[in-house]
Amino acid sequence: DSGVTQTPKHLITATGQRVTLRCSPRSGDLSVYWYQQSLDQGLQFLIQYYNGEERAKGNILERFSAQQFPDLHSELNLSSLELGDSALYFCASSPDPRMNTEAFFGQGTRLTVV
Amino acid sequence: GQQVMQIPQYQHVQEGEDFTTYCNSSTTLSNIQWYKQRPGGHPVFLIQLVKSGEVKKQKRLTFQFGEAKKNSSLHITATQTTDVGTYFCAGTTSGTYKYIFGTGTRLKVLA
Repeated sequence: DSGVTQTPKHLITATGQRVTLRCSPRSGDLSVYWYQQSLDQGLQFLIQYYNGEERAKGNILERFSAQQFPDLHSELNLSSLELGDSALYFCASSPDPRMNTEAFFGQGTRLTVV
Repeated sequence: GQQVMQIPQYQHVQEGEDFTTYCNSSTTLSNIQWYKQRPGGHPVFLIQLVKSGEVKKQKRLTFQFGEAKKNSSLHITATQTTDVGTYFCAGTTSGTYKYIFGTGTRLKVLA
């Protein structure tokens, strides 16, 4: 158990819909990272937050947005969903803003868009 | 933008054979981390390398960071079935917070 909690574990939704994925980082970790992993693909960096502020952005679509709340949990919002958005979405956390220590990954949320 | 490529993409080995995956960055890295993802699992941190030319060992695993800090390798000696999974390198450049993962190498070990 990495200490990072992601909910829900599985999500099936229709095209055009909007979903929210939730991540609770390890206790004490201030940084949260979101990654997308399509079937048999690598990990695509989406976005990073540190202590409530956005610190880095990757190839995140405009239809996607995220935020980190004062209690440090984070949510990834995906809207106007398309079939190609089906993927595993991982959240990771680390204590510092530059991930100079290891990042701990959650179990992921598997999103299926039908 | 920054790209991190890994080769090979797939590798099948007989149990007991050695295995090496290579990680190459288009830009100089500040540090590099290696992760392992078991089938159906999530990435788990293995190690971090920071210094140019650094070599670290963990039992049968040997990690190297290139002198130019643009490449790295992971070598597994005498693979076991428990080594099955996808190995990712992840690196960042100075002045950014982005941690970019490599494309991964999927290892299958045949008993």
